[in-house]
Amino acid sequence: GEDVEQSLFLSVREGDSSVINCTYTDSSSTYLYWYKQEPGAGLQLLTYIFSNMDMKQDQRLTVLLNKKDKHLSLRIADTQTGDSAIYFCAEKYSSASKIIFGSGTRLSIRP
Amino acid sequence: EAGVAQSPRYKIIEKRQSVAFWCNPISGHATLYWYQQILGQGPKLLIQFQNNGVVDDSQLPKDRFSAERLKGVDSTLKIQPAKLEDSAVYLCASSLEGTGGRDEQYFGPGTRLTVT
Repeated sequence: GEDVEQSLFLSVREGDSSVINCTYTDSSSTYLYWYKQEPGAGLQLLTYIFSNMDMKQDQRLTVLLNKKDKHLSLRIADTQTGDSAIYFCAEKYSSASKIIFGSGTRLSIRP
Repeated sequence: EAGVAQSPRYKIIEKRQSVAFWCNPISGHATLYWYQQILGQGPKLLIQFQNNGVVDDSQLPKDRFSAERLKGVDSTLKIQPAKLEDSAVYLCASSLEGTGGRDEQYFGPGTRLTVT
């Protein structure tokens, strides 16, 4: 089945780390993505991870993948006010280029 | 490099009226996607074009939605007649190839449709 689930909201203090979690159902997914959507804008690809990787780090972003539990997380270190946005987890099947998106997690930053 | 352009940015229509959205992808991108994003949800793929051929339109409500991609470049998405549940943001995206593999999709800003 096709399903990607995320919690709806996350609030963190400026300077702390944010961890956004996602679970997916399709074990054949090849690529897993994190997209960012700011108000009134389209989606922007933040980072992605291949299904044969456990972790990927890119500056302040760390992606962790647990294939056994079908769990993906995005950690944002030193969260800033500019990180306020909706973050979408997405998966891509091995055999097609169709991407399935979760419902998004709204990250808000408090001073 | 210019991004994906969409117009109009906002549209308000009454139910049973018709509406059309336009998308100009990034130059040289072979694949073009139309997504529907209902408030509080993630984008859902409506149709995918590879050049000017349809690759996937399994989620397009074909009784009221239609899309075309002329000469493999610009695309239009039409709704006729519109229903209240069509209120959403319609996102256009393009990618270089669209084949399996890490082929990044670049999104336009979207058209927010309100059906009253």
